[in-house]
Amino acid sequence: EVQLVESGGGFIQPGRSLRLSCTTSGFTFSAFTVGWVRQAPGKGLEWVGFSGNLPYGVTAEYAASLRGRFTISRDDSKSVVYLQLNSLKTEDTAMYYCARVPRTAAGLDAFDIWGQGTMVTVSS
Amino acid sequence: DIQVTQSPSTLSASIGDRVTITCRASQNISASLAWYQQKPGKAPKLLIYKASRLESGVPSRFSGSGSGTEFTLTIRSLPADDFATYYCQQYYSYSWTFGQGTRVEIK
Repeated sequence: EVQLVESGGGFIQPGRSLRLSCTTSGFTFSAFTVGWVRQAPGKGLEWVGFSGNLPYGVTAEYAASLRGRFTISRDDSKSVVYLQLNSLKTEDTAMYYCARVPRTAAGLDAFDIWGQGTMVTVSS
Repeated sequence: DIQVTQSPSTLSASIGDRVTITCRASQNISASLAWYQQKPGKAPKLLIYKASRLESGVPSRFSGSGSGTEFTLTIRSLPADDFATYYCQQYYSYSWTFGQGTRVEIK
């Protein structure tokens, strides 16, 4: 069974850093891109970025508004993707989901399998 | 970045109704559009990808159409279980975006 499980969320003060993990199982990790999506309380979905199996030697892509503060990395040996959140702001308070991205001959496809999410609350 | 505008933001419907949600992209995205369903407290679930392809295991009452800049999600004969929020998402470029969401509520 394909599974993605997020962890690492919690309560943190503004300006601090936090690393989220997405532990995957049930599929060939190295062959897939994995992405992150966040959802502030009561709001819509926001694409954060993704990593892995991208063309042109690119290791990760990010939403323009988050580039520079957020970093996605992965450990293929552990089938884990990380989301490093730096210089956190109160507006980063959200549920953070990781999700799998299939790849076809035409390129990346939509998020097909999602984790249950991990909540990050940024507050003083 | 490519923007996607979803409408309506809220839709009141009755059980058994046919429901249509629209998504417009700010530029041509070919068929690189997906639709998701999200219920309160749950992760989104993929319904439709490549604008019209039904994800495995998704009931056939869901259908998607469109290409270029105009897309629709149709739910034929709405059951109680489908009162939820629906999102479109474009994945044409390497900067993905979601629509604002459509909440389907009971009339």
